[in-house]
Amino acid sequence: DAKTTQPNSMESNEEEPVHLPCNHSTISGTDYIHWYRQLPSQGPEYVIHGLTSNVNNRMASLAIAEDRKSSTLILHRATLRDAAVYYCILRDENTGGFKTIFGAGTRLFVKA
Amino acid sequence: NAGVTQTPKFQVLKTGQSMTLQCAQDMNHEYMSWYRQDPGMGLRLIHYSVGAGITDQGEVPNGYNVSRSTTEDFPLRLLSAAPSQTSVYFCASSRRGLYSGNTIYFGEGSWLTVV
Repeated sequence: DAKTTQPNSMESNEEEPVHLPCNHSTISGTDYIHWYRQLPSQGPEYVIHGLTSNVNNRMASLAIAEDRKSSTLILHRATLRDAAVYYCILRDENTGGFKTIFGAGTRLFVKA
Repeated sequence: NAGVTQTPKFQVLKTGQSMTLQCAQDMNHEYMSWYRQDPGMGLRLIHYSVGAGITDQGEVPNGYNVSRSTTEDFPLRLLSAAPSQTSVYFCASSRRGLYSGNTIYFGEGSWLTVV
């Protein structure tokens, strides 16, 4: 299974943009890049996903490198509620992505 | 919307006791899985299922059994609890599909302490 590498933690100021990086140098052509986040004492929740093109939704933006070996989750204006652990994972859609492995993620601290 | 429902939310077990964590989903998802999360750590896959009657091992399957008799339910059994199994357990589900970037839905977690 292809794996991802993320920084252990990052810090941001409230209302500033946050760029969370993820490296996935062994990504295959059928892997979708997914981002999930986990708020304290809750289960992970979906944030965004993409395959090749940059993606935007109401929560965040996902910038995918042209060679797909890295991606960046962008929170345009961090709020205190965005303090969470962010997981970058790959889901092999060729096999349905059922065996999904999570890493340790990046713990985001947001300062008021 | 119920989504993924886990019970119990909290449980204390004595070493050697057995118990079952229940997981049910009402979205008709084919794929279900169990993860454990130790304090300050990421999620680790215990077992997963791609449909009724089909299960397979994840990263850390030892000490746990699963079965999938219906699409809706995916219980996790601890046959002889050990302190090392103290953790938060999350059940997850997603539908099957190719090239669809299917979202994974998680339950709220079950906090298990083994003393």
